Amino acid sequence: DQQVKQNSPSLSVQEGRISILNCDYTNSMFDYFLWYKKYPAEGPTFLISISSIKDKNEDGRFTVFLNKSAKHLSLHIVPSQPGDSAVYFCAARLTGNQFYFGTGTSLTVIP
Amino acid sequence: DAMVIQNPRYQVTQFGKPVTLSCSQTLNHNVMYWYQQKSSQAPKLLFHYYDKDFNNEADTPDNFQSRRPNTSFCFLDIRSPGLGDAAMYLCATSRDSLAGAEEDTQYFGPGTRLTVL
Repeated sequence: DQQVKQNSPSLSVQEGRISILNCDYTNSMFDYFLWYKKYPAEGPTFLISISSIKDKNEDGRFTVFLNKSAKHLSLHIVPSQPGDSAVYFCAARLTGNQFYFGTGTSLTVIP
Repeated sequence: DAMVIQNPRYQVTQFGKPVTLSCSQTLNHNVMYWYQQKSSQAPKLLFHYYDKDFNNEADTPDNFQSRRPNTSFCFLDIRSPGLGDAAMYLCATSRDSLAGAEEDTQYFGPGTRLTVL
């Protein structure tokens, strides 16, 4: 019973263009959403987050959008750079230290 | 300046032979987590400690146990590893998600890849 879903296992984008990674969730009680980036042989590292009371959060080249009615969030990276190539995990939190992760999307930015 | 350290990075054990994975942190975070991640799957929360308060996920098998002797260290014990327990095991920490602060996030270690022969 996957409560957080990333339906695209992989994505390829040209350098300089926009990367859009998508995530859907089923539990309306999630109060906080996060994106993590993972390189091979390393643990996930925090990238950006958004509270359920907001619909957008921006940090440099990274923007996360939340659509609560659709239970959907997305991560936009613009412009994409080759160093952005990694696996991106979407995660959602229930109050009480319970985090649920998606299966990840592997992003390849082509120079 | 490593913040969450996991040892060993690679662990090989035999079917049924107990194994312990360790995690330490320099962040002084209240909460420590253990996740299991199998290939192409989402990291799955096994359990977490809020200080010394142990919280087990409902579907975590009894074969998995954990100890947290102090703030800095947390151990994952697999009492009788089966072939299906081969996975990457990730340790993470966070300050205190009960506070509900936006900046509460998890810091992950590099993981321990467990192979069961």
